[in-house]
Amino acid sequence: GDSVTQMEGPVTLSEEAFLTINCTYTATGYPSLFWYVQYPGEGLQLLLKATKADDKGSNKGFEATYRKETTSFHLEKGSVQVSDSAVYFCALLNTGTASKLTFGTGTRLQVTL
Amino acid sequence: KAGVTQTPRYLIKTRGQQVTLSCSPISGHRSVSWYQQTPGQGLQFLFEYFSETQRNKGNFPGRFSGRQFSNSRSEMNVSTLELGDSALYLCASSATAATGGYTFGSGTRLTVV
Repeated sequence: GDSVTQMEGPVTLSEEAFLTINCTYTATGYPSLFWYVQYPGEGLQLLLKATKADDKGSNKGFEATYRKETTSFHLEKGSVQVSDSAVYFCALLNTGTASKLTFGTGTRLQVTL
Repeated sequence: KAGVTQTPRYLIKTRGQQVTLSCSPISGHRSVSWYQQTPGQGLQFLFEYFSETQRNKGNFPGRFSGRQFSNSRSEMNVSTLELGDSALYLCASSATAATGGYTFGSGTRLTVV
């Protein structure tokens, strides 16, 4: 079945540091890939998405490129802020099971001054 | 534009009781999905409804059920509650579900004692 593997957290960075959160997936066919963010006490917010190989999703300074050859969708940001502290989830949507998002376990990011 | 509204935000129930959670999707969205979030299992898909029909179902026991009304509002019901049902239940809506552009609500925190 489909699965998503994320690097374990927590990830602790100083403000303005470079961020990478690794995400790899296993799926048949050509899934769409997503990054969601969850702030304390809230639901999930869609951060960015990519629907086909080599697509780059970007939003609020975050970027991720759909790499089919390495089945990866790593999240990056050049300069993190304290306000980026949250839990980040990588997810996939497979056309074969459309409407069901498969999530990774989440990576907690803490940014300090 | 109003977001996805889930009620109630918090709920405490006793083992053996049943509970009903409500979700009002974004206006115009016809797909509503439900997810269970726990520290141990992460985010797990419960089911998805589209135009009052259940299109997809996750691997949960029959105690978990749902429905969708003609105005797209959805409810999920859990009967004979167990301690392990304690979780954050998230509802998400989408216009079509095909592209995975889901908007999540803030969730209902269910505690079973």
